[in-house]
Amino acid sequence: GQQLNQSPQSMFIQEGEDVSMNCTSSSIFNTWLWYKQDPGEGPVLLIALYKAGELTSNGRLTAQFGITRKDSFLNISASIPSDVGIYFCAGLGGGSQGNLIFGKGTKLSVKP
Amino acid sequence: GAVVSQHPSRVICKSGTSVKIECRSLDFQATTMFWYRQFPKQSLMLMATSNEGSKATYEQGVEKDKFLINHASLTLSTLTVTSAHPEDSSFYICTAGGRRNEQFFGPGTRLTVL
Repeated sequence: GQQLNQSPQSMFIQEGEDVSMNCTSSSIFNTWLWYKQDPGEGPVLLIALYKAGELTSNGRLTAQFGITRKDSFLNISASIPSDVGIYFCAGLGGGSQGNLIFGKGTKLSVKP
Repeated sequence: GAVVSQHPSRVICKSGTSVKIECRSLDFQATTMFWYRQFPKQSLMLMATSNEGSKATYEQGVEKDKFLINHASLTLSTLTVTSAHPEDSSFYICTAGGRRNEQFFGPGTRLTVL
């Protein structure tokens, strides 16, 4: 079945640094979503991407939908301690509305 | 984004009992809701698609008789874990679909089966 490869698995950075993470797939997706999950909480939608090549920002977050529709990246600029958490990418293929495929997550740690 | 609530947020039960988890979309009507399961330090896995007024669609490997889903109204879907066992202990999260296929997650329910 469809799979997403998300990298890196984890990151340890200093406050103020920029962060970049990405997801790739061998399959084409029609929608890419990026979520952040805090411990014991449900994931919160950060950015949704609907068109190949689309570049979308949400505050210090920027995400792009790859032109091939097989990849996406998320950048966080000037990281702050509250950015700590697990970031998941998710792709939606054709067909069923609900068939979101999740990456394994990137655990971000920010040192003040 | 849409607001989705879940109840209870945490439940501890004895092996063999059944547990019901509610998922509500608070500010919109959702004809489709989704149930995910997340084991510790792992990603989210889709269990089933809950369709208002019709039977749920289960993913491969998910027992429909064990995980009963009812979507009786446009704002409420319930997941009942029947005869729960310790291996069913997990974080259960529901989502409701948005207008453009994005999904908004509830806060999750932590189930611990003793």
